[in-house]
Amino acid sequence: YVLTQPPSVSVAPGQTARITCGGDNIGSKRVHWCQQKPGQAPVVVVYEDSARPSGVPERFSGSNSGNTATLTISRVEAGDEADYYCQVWDGSSDQDWVFGGGTKVTVL
Amino acid sequence: EVQLWESGGGLVQPGGSLRLSCAASGFTFRNFPMNWVRQAPGKGLEWVSTLSSTGQSTYYADSVKGRFTISRDNSKNTLHLQMSSLRADDTAVYYCAKGSADGDYFDYWGHGTLVTVSS
Repeated sequence: YVLTQPPSVSVAPGQTARITCGGDNIGSKRVHWCQQKPGQAPVVVVYEDSARPSGVPERFSGSNSGNTATLTISRVEAGDEADYYCQVWDGSSDQDWVFGGGTKVTVL
Repeated sequence: EVQLWESGGGLVQPGGSLRLSCAASGFTFRNFPMNWVRQAPGKGLEWVSTLSSTGQSTYYADSVKGRFTISRDNSKNTLHLQMSSLRADDTAVYYCAKGSADGDYFDYWGHGTLVTVSS
């Protein structure tokens, strides 16, 4: 199973960033998103399509339908600059845990 | 607070072996699946291996199958990854990651340990 993300997204502070994650009928799967800042370990920002772990700002939201899942970051701040990865559990083989290639979000 | 601390990384020659360990705290270790995920320099995240909470079920990426072995000691809250026949393309930061309750995703990550395979 293949997940496709744009390599980069640029956004001005205060604007909205949308990061897509494409996959065959991804809407039938649960999508999870993690944020990775340079030199740091990944941190989950959205799980099960749209749920947020405690401590993650409400500015981070997720949606999933059809062949595309989307992570939306509203009112972008400089501290949101990071790599973002989508991930699913496929369940159709023993290679079940799949990551997208990652999207670098740059705050202009 | 969930904490995961990897150790055991280092420089190893091609064909060599290395054993990574991950010490866990802050949750009931025996109740959750555990995972290894790696990241080659400048590259994205790659799932490596998953072990069920009981240790009965193991899963491996095709890229490491037959060379890596995942194990756990629930009495010591420790996860291991035995790596053998190492290749240059195994060079990466290896992260220990706690699995979610249903095993779908990785809800907490360690800081990572760097494995460099080079002569």
